[in-house]
Order: sequence, then structure tokens, then C-alpha cells
Amino acid sequence: AQSVAQPEDQVNVAEGNPLTVKCTYSVSGNPYLFWYVQYPNRGLQFLLKYITGDNLVKGSYGFEAEFNKSQTSFHLKKPSALVSDSALYFCAVRASGSARQLTFGSGTQLTVLP
Amino acid sequence: DADVTQTPRNRITKTGKRIMLECSQTKGHDRMYWYRQDPGLGLRLIYYSFDVKDINKGEISDGYSVSRQAQAKFSLSLESAIPNQTALYFCATQGRHPGELFFGEGSRLTVL
Repeated sequence: AQSVAQPEDQVNVAEGNPLTVKCTYSVSGNPYLFWYVQYPNRGLQFLLKYITGDNLVKGSYGFEAEFNKSQTSFHLKKPSALVSDSALYFCAVRASGSARQLTFGSGTQLTVLP
Repeated sequence: DADVTQTPRNRITKTGKRIMLECSQTKGHDRMYWYRQDPGLGLRLIYYSFDVKDINKGEISDGYSVSRQAQAKFSLSLESAIPNQTALYFCATQGRHPGELFFGEGSRLTVL
């Protein structure tokens, strides 16, 4: 089985401050990990992924994520938050080499306060 | 124009009615997916298709059926809608890179 946990339903951060959105996962074998963002009344958009290699992954809009195998985590980060980053963020996982499809977390609503 | 187009965007219907949600894509991808989004539950996979002849059930396929009419078209049907099928439904495609999905704008379905 594979699963994703996003422990925070809501994260608030002031504009200009660093932000972190947390994600932990459970999967058999090596994971493929993803972050998606959903703006209001829109579909999800791919932000970044970890497949293999460097544990720090850089993605769109200045976001990055750090893969930590020992803690089974893949937290999303940004050094300086913008009001326009306010959106719903989803973490997703699938096992490498598996026929299983992506499993999504429950989502974290990020609000960046001006 | 959007690469993944869903119709209708909004639909209100009554219990017991048959509903079809349609999805078309211009990305040329073979893999297509239908997800359901409920608040606090994230996205759950209903059905997916790797090509016209390959249809697979996801984790919550009961009460739903699909049709892959062509590479570009993938429809989701609710044969007899019930209120707990009220949700936001998303179609998505996948290209060469596993897990990198391209989503439509969503179809909001309300079953009264």
C-alpha cells in the first residue's frame, strides 16, 4: 500500500517570510514524489518531482522540496512567500517500478498574508 | 484553448439521473485519468486508461463507468446518481514522465 500524509490543513505565513508545507509518505520500495498546486476554480498544476538523485529538488515559481529518506518526508519550501502563492497544495507519491498510480494527500491550504 | 477540456463545468442533477462528464485533450497523450476531489480527502482515482483498449478501475470505481472513445476522449458516467457523488471531478492526462499529470479545469457535480 502507499499513502501520503499532509498533517496541516492550513498554513499561514506573512509575505516575505519563508514557507514550509509538510508531507510524509509511506510506500514499498523507492518513491516517486510530487507536489501539485491548485488555484481557486482551477485544475491542479504540476510543481516539482523527486525521482532520483539530488535530495533537493527545484521546481516552478521558486519552490523547492527536500527528500528525506530516513524521515520519509518531502516538504515543500520557498525562501520568500508571495501573496500570489496562496493556494491549495497537494503532495503525491507512487512506488517506482510499480503499476500503481499516484496517491494524493488531503491537501494543505496555504495563505500568505500581506 | 485549454489542453485538457472538461464539459460541463457545472451540473446540478437529481438522484437517480444518468450523468455523463466528458473530457477531451489535445496533448496527444495515451494515458488519461478521472479523479474525484472532496474537501479534506484530496484526490481519489476513479478510473484510468492507458489507451483505447485498456481501461482500469481506480480506488473508488463503484457507481461509475467510463468510455474511451478515442485517444483524445475519455468520458465518465454515473448511471444512477446519488447525493454522495456530489463532488468536483477532474480529468487528467499523462505524457512520457510518470506522475506528471495535466489536469482539466474540473466539473462540479451536485446531486440533489
